Amino acid sequence: AQSVTQLGSHVSVSEGALVLLRCNYSSSVPPYLFWYVQYPNQGLQLLLKYTSAATLVKGINGFEAEFKKSETSFHLTKPSAHMSDAAEYFCAVSGPSGSARQLTFGSGTQLTVLP
Amino acid sequence: EAGVAQSPRYKIIEKRQSVAFWCNPISGHATLYWYQQILGQGPKLLIQFQNNGVVDDSQLPKDRFSAERLKGVDSTLKIQPAKLEDSAVYLCASSLDSIYEQYFGPGTRLTVT
Repeated sequence: AQSVTQLGSHVSVSEGALVLLRCNYSSSVPPYLFWYVQYPNQGLQLLLKYTSAATLVKGINGFEAEFKKSETSFHLTKPSAHMSDAAEYFCAVSGPSGSARQLTFGSGTQLTVLP
Repeated sequence: EAGVAQSPRYKIIEKRQSVAFWCNPISGHATLYWYQQILGQGPKLLIQFQNNGVVDDSQLPKDRFSAERLKGVDSTLKIQPAKLEDSAVYLCASSLDSIYEQYFGPGTRLTVT
């Protein structure tokens, strides 16, 4: 069984400030981990993914995330927020093979960027 | 390359009515998924197809929901009869195969009154 907990349903940062969105997972198998972004009235877009290679994963739009097995975490960061980063962000977990490959999503974090 | 297409984008119906959603995946993608995203929650998988066969429909409320993927390309998701709690965004996603990245469509926002 797999699950994801995203701490903080709403996060506000000032433009230029550090973005930190938290994600903790639970998985009975070695996890694959994902961050997706959803802009209003659009589908989900993959930001980055961890698939058991490097623990620090770089994605699109300057985002990165670090897989920490000891903390069961996969937090998303960006050094400097832009207004265009305002969106909802979802962390998701899957297993490496078979039926465990299905994605289980967290409840999302709405990011607001203040001018 | 065209993305995943869904229609309609918005639908408002009364409870006990029926509704159908359509999805056209990315060309060549064998795996197709339908998700339900209730406001304030993450997407929840309803059904997964591999070509035109069902891989997993364990979370599909089969008393009112049905889905098909004829010829392994387009798919339709139907709700009959609709309940108030079915109000949600219905997302379709596709992938080259089940082990690859999923690409999501824009979704259909259903409001049941």
